[in-house]
Amino acid sequence: EAQVTQNPRYLITVTGKKLTVTCSQNMNHEYMSWYRQDPGLGLRQIYYSMNVEVTDKGDVPEGYKVSRKEKRNFPLILESPSPNQTSLYFCASRSALAKYNEQFFGPGTRLTVL
Amino acid sequence: AQKVTQAQTEISVVEKEDVTLDCVYETRDTTYYLFWYKQPPSGELVFLIRRNSFDEQNEISGRYSWNFQKSTSSFNFTITASQVVDSAVYFCALSEARGNTPLVFGKGTRLSVIA
Repeated sequence: EAQVTQNPRYLITVTGKKLTVTCSQNMNHEYMSWYRQDPGLGLRQIYYSMNVEVTDKGDVPEGYKVSRKEKRNFPLILESPSPNQTSLYFCASRSALAKYNEQFFGPGTRLTVL
Repeated sequence: AQKVTQAQTEISVVEKEDVTLDCVYETRDTTYYLFWYKQPPSGELVFLIRRNSFDEQNEISGRYSWNFQKSTSSFNFTITASQVVDSAVYFCALSEARGNTPLVFGKGTRLSVIA
């Protein structure tokens, strides 16, 4: 089944404790991205990657890192999480040849930073 | 720059009423794509429809219909005979056709359908 998976789905952590949210897709998509969703703000892009070893900042990259060592994986790294990073995070992927730029979304990761 | 505006933050309707969710967008590109997503209380994003800028044909899918009007830069979504299961947050989104442009989302409209 074609899908984007994220782990963990739920995470409660404390300020300053490094964490990684994994994202994996099995569709051989070139393009992957991370969004965060906050009440009243919709979804905003954090980082994106056009292909392996190619990443770039989205609209709200501060406090996040990403890497793209393999085509299928695009982990989101919070080196020193803070309470303002409490949010719902979505990973998405799409093919570079996608006709409508249609993205496939993961199920979301709900992160709480205390 | 791209922008999507969903002016209605929250809407409440009684079951079986019709409801229209508004979406207005801004883009400088002539080729772009519009989307609607549903986010039920469980949190996942459910794709509903996509439309490209050259296709202004309205679409109907069961109780759902979409009205795309380039002249007013709007892509409105109507649910006919609403049901409790339609209660969710609905997002309108825009993507320009060129390369690595992200999906730009509106802030969402929370729809509550009351039995």
